Amino acid sequence: QVQLVESGGGVVQPGGSLRLSCVASGFNFRNFGMHWVRQAPGKGLEWVGFRRYDGRDEVFAASVKGRFSISRDNSKNTLYLQMNSLRTEDTAVYYCAKPWIREALDYWGQGTLVIVSS
Amino acid sequence: QSALTQPPSASGSPGQSVTISCTGTSSDVGGYNYVSWYQQHPGKAPKLILYEVNKRPSGVPDRFSGSKSGNTASLTVSGLQAEDEADYHCSSYAGSNNFAVFGGGTKLTVL
Repeated sequence: QVQLVESGGGVVQPGGSLRLSCVASGFNFRNFGMHWVRQAPGKGLEWVGFRRYDGRDEVFAASVKGRFSISRDNSKNTLYLQMNSLRTEDTAVYYCAKPWIREALDYWGQGTLVIVSS
Repeated sequence: QSALTQPPSASGSPGQSVTISCTGTSSDVGGYNYVSWYQQHPGKAPKLILYEVNKRPSGVPDRFSGSKSGNTASLTVSGLQAEDEADYHCSSYAGSNNFAVFGGGTKLTVL
C-alpha cells in the first residue's frame, strides 16, 4: 500500500533553516512528481510546491518562492523540502502528497510540524 | 495567487443534504475543470473525495457529489451521516506557473 512518511520538523528561530524529508513506498516513486502542502494551526490547506518526477522542474507558491526548494533522490524514494529564511508565518504542519490527476492529491503523509519562533 | 473562498461553516441534520461552495476566479476554478475536494477529520491528513469537479475516487460513497458553474464549484453531501462531520477543503488547478490553490476550508457540523 502507498505510504508517505515525513520527518524533520521541529522548532526553529526566525531566519533559520530546516530540511524536511518524505520517504515514499508502495508505488513507483520515480514516475511521479510530488507535492508539499502545509496547514497552519487552525487554518486551511496551502499548496507549497511541486517537483517533477525527473527533478527537472519545480513550481512554488508565491509565499515561499525564493526561500524554499524541493529536491528528490529517486534511488532512496525520498522527497525533500529545504526551507530557508523561515518566518513565523511558516509555522504549520507540512505534508508531502502524491498526485492523482493534475492538482488532485490521492495520498498524503501524516505530516510533520514546523514551529518558527524565537 | 489568492486562496479560494469557502464559507467557514456549514451544518445539517442526519439524512439531510448540505452544499458547500468554493469561489475562485477565471484563472483557477473558472478556467479549468480541475477542482478537487478533500475531507479532513481532526488530527488526520486530508482525504481526496472528489476530483475533476465531480469524479469520485474508488471507495468514496456516491453521497458526495460535485458541480461547477462559472468561477464557483460546489460540494454536496447527501444523506448526512455523523461521520461526515469534518473539515472540507476545495482546491483548483491554477495554471503551470501557480499550479494549485486551496480554499480556506469549511467545518461541516452534523446536528
